[in-house]
Amino acid sequence: RKEVEQDPGPFNVPEGATVAFNCTYSNSASQSFFWYRQDCRKEPKLLMSVYSSGNEDGRFTAQLNRASQYISLLIRDSKLSDSATYLCVVNAFSGYSTLTFGKGTMLLVSP
Amino acid sequence: DVKVTQSSRYLVKRTGEKVFLECVQDMDHENMFWYRQDPGLGLRLIYFSYDVKMKEKGDIPEGYSVSREKKERFSLILESASTNQTSMYLCASSLSGSEETQYFGPGTRLLVL
Repeated sequence: RKEVEQDPGPFNVPEGATVAFNCTYSNSASQSFFWYRQDCRKEPKLLMSVYSSGNEDGRFTAQLNRASQYISLLIRDSKLSDSATYLCVVNAFSGYSTLTFGKGTMLLVSP
Repeated sequence: DVKVTQSSRYLVKRTGEKVFLECVQDMDHENMFWYRQDPGLGLRLIYFSYDVKMKEKGDIPEGYSVSREKKERFSLILESASTNQTSMYLCASSLSGSEETQYFGPGTRLLVL
């Protein structure tokens, strides 16, 4: 069964902290990886794609380890506005371009 | 800017009613998707479509059908609503088969009594 597993959290951190999330995926044929962000009672939105060499977007760094089939997201200098649920997403490679979503990791940043 | 709209933000229906959820995207995207999201279960794919009049079952199609008569519009139909279909329904679209980034609508919270 295709699955993406994440620690549901919540991760409670103070402003300015560095926090890291990991997720594992079971489909070794997966080729595309993403992190989405979902605010409370809102729709998911793409945060960043994850590339094999790792990539950074401001305070956010994503890493991919294909051998171990895990993806990570590092958030530096956390802001109150980073409070959200972070969804790890992997392409399902089922013959169509569908995505498999993890259940998400909740982050709460406090003053 | 990609815009995906859904016909209702909140909907209350009775058991046995036929329910239509509409989704429209304005970016000429080929692909459209319907998900439901429930606490503890995450996002689950119900149906998707890669072209007009084309549809494919997702992971949980039972109790649902879809219609895509025009490229920009993808409808989800609950033939006979049941209480276990109370959920948040999210529509998404993506550009083409090779472009997987999906853009979501704001969601419809459906309550079936």
